[in-house]
Amino acid sequence: DTAVSQTPKYLVTQMGNDKSIKCEQNLGHDTMYWYKQDSKKFLKIMFSYNNKELIINETVPNRFSPKSPDKAHLNLHINSLELGDSAVYFCASSLVTDTQYFGPGTRLTVL
Amino acid sequence: AQTVTQSQPEMSVQEAETVTLSCTYDTSESDYYLFWYKQPPSRQMILVIRQEAYKQQNATENRFSVNFQKAAKSFSLKISDSQLGDAAMYFCAYTYTGANSKLTFGKGITLSVRP
Repeated sequence: DTAVSQTPKYLVTQMGNDKSIKCEQNLGHDTMYWYKQDSKKFLKIMFSYNNKELIINETVPNRFSPKSPDKAHLNLHINSLELGDSAVYFCASSLVTDTQYFGPGTRLTVL
Repeated sequence: AQTVTQSQPEMSVQEAETVTLSCTYDTSESDYYLFWYKQPPSRQMILVIRQEAYKQQNATENRFSVNFQKAAKSFSLKISDSQLGDAAMYFCAYTYTGANSKLTFGKGITLSVRP
């Protein structure tokens, strides 16, 4: 049973396109997150949702729009993709402030 | 703002030996959690160990243990009897227990294991 899953695992696209990454967790957690890992492997929080409500929105361009249809799902939509958006995007979930469990990551390559 | 510092970018250990990975952090909070995550080449982020700041006892998970020094804001990871499968990038991370908490990561350390 996969605890936190993401689709797709790999995404290759052209500059200017719009793409989405989906995340689902079956752990019964109430908080979900998106992190970005850049080419130097540095991990940084982008967004977090608690019970479908946005609670953290770090300094992320508004081309990135998260959506949480329910507690178990958190999707990330990216408009007008740029070269600098190439990275690995991780979804994670937790019970409020407890341990965060990560999905397998989505490697996004913008050409 | 909270910061996490991993000053060693790389370390190497002989198989079956012991290695210690260093981490320091800065926070004004009194209640928080500290974690070590492992990221092998598969890129999956795997929780290695967790420490609650209010607990004085150092956390242990099989071959992995921490040395948590709250006053010094130090949180090192000791890996005993190193195995080839321990080769990975290791990230130290911090989160406070209040509302709007988030994980703050160090830059990571690449651990290689020599057979």
